[in-house]
Amino acid sequence: SYELTQPPSVSVSPGQTATITCSGDALPKQYAFWYQQKPGQAPVLIIYQDTERPPNIPARISGSTSGTTVTLTISGVQAEDEADYYCQSTDTDGIVVFGGGTKLTVL
Amino acid sequence: EVQLVQSGGGLVRPGGSFTITCEVSGMSLSDARMNWVRQASGKGLQWIGRIKRPVDGGTTDYAASVRGRFTIFRDDSKNTFDLHMNSLKTEDTAVYYCLVGAKWGQGTLVTVSS
Repeated sequence: SYELTQPPSVSVSPGQTATITCSGDALPKQYAFWYQQKPGQAPVLIIYQDTERPPNIPARISGSTSGTTVTLTISGVQAEDEADYYCQSTDTDGIVVFGGGTKLTVL
Repeated sequence: EVQLVQSGGGLVRPGGSFTITCEVSGMSLSDARMNWVRQASGKGLQWIGRIKRPVDGGTTDYAASVRGRFTIFRDDSKNTFDLHMNSLKTEDTAVYYCLVGAKWGQGTLVTVSS
């Protein structure tokens, strides 16, 4: 079955830049989405179609893509950014697939 | 604005059944790709099933772990879709989310325990 691979954890100091990668063989052909999830809450969309940002998401959050890897970048990390981040895409049949999630810790 | 509101959770005995309803407002379900996702405590997101749009055939697909036990139904007249869960196991204990496009319901906790 199709898999998306994320690092389990990323740690950064406030004001620094956090990068979270997501790798998958179909990513060159299928869009990726990124969700932020805080404890006890439902996931929230922060990036769609690889690089697009919903209106209420700050510009310091961005997405990029290169080959089989998509990357979420959070610039000027703040304490409020501490959360779990999940990438999501689809396989060739349109079945939703999630990465394993990355816990972002703000030191 | 699209909103998804899920019905409440509960405690179910192993082998029992439970149904979660996702009510969608702000869009027509006939245009929507609808999915169910679950998350066990401390774990990641797991896709468990989908129902296609009528124009795509309206068929369903399920993850291997729930296939044959879980069923997804849609009611376009009420703008709802349900997750029917049968033969529940303790490992099905999780928060269940409906997902329409990239919009999530608030989550429903289902606990399977004797």
